[in-house]
Amino acid sequence: QKEVEQDPGPLSVPEGAIVSLNCTYSNSAFQYFMWYRQYSRKGPELLMYTYSSGNKEDGRFTAQVDKSSKYISLFIRDSQPSDSATYLCAMRDPNTGNQFYFGTGTSLTVIP
Amino acid sequence: NAGVTQTPKFQVLKTGQSMTLQCAQDMNHEYMSWYRQDPGMGLRLIHYSVGAGITDQGEVPNGYNVSRSTTEDFPLRLLSAAPSQTSVYFCASSRGAEGYTFGSGTRLTVV
Repeated sequence: QKEVEQDPGPLSVPEGAIVSLNCTYSNSAFQYFMWYRQYSRKGPELLMYTYSSGNKEDGRFTAQVDKSSKYISLFIRDSQPSDSATYLCAMRDPNTGNQFYFGTGTSLTVIP
Repeated sequence: NAGVTQTPKFQVLKTGQSMTLQCAQDMNHEYMSWYRQDPGMGLRLIHYSVGAGITDQGEVPNGYNVSRSTTEDFPLRLLSAAPSQTSVYFCASSRGAEGYTFGSGTRLTVV
């Protein structure tokens, strides 16, 4: 079983829609949770970072962590064509140094 | 502030050739890593370093060597290139738990 599972999509939505992206994980020791956005032929860029359970909001983006269910989500409100990218979740176990575990990414297309 | 700089951006190698992918960061980050990204496989960790002089293997280290003589630089060496090493390679650095800053990647093709 992979440490982190992520539906690869692809996901296609109309402009203005609310997008929900999700990851599940198996290691209950994960404490740090991140979402990266990767445009085609570019490196991943850090979008959101959360520690432990709860919600974090940044503009149109909301990251949600439910440690009891081992489930994290990224919500994008009022989606724009510029949000079209691959979104990767990542998480870290503080007991294993600085090793991060990545999902395989979900490809999102926002149609104008 | 350049962040993480990778060179070259593109490279074609013949089977059996060796080469070094360069990575430099100017953020004084302790942690640096090399990942390869393949379709359907996501990011897989090759080698990582927690500071100058300290390196360790990741998930897929075979065929690759690294060294970390300075905080800034973390080169990745391919010893004898194989077609299975055709991939996109990313170098990344971080200060701690807040996540990695990635370079723009090196697209490597081995023929």
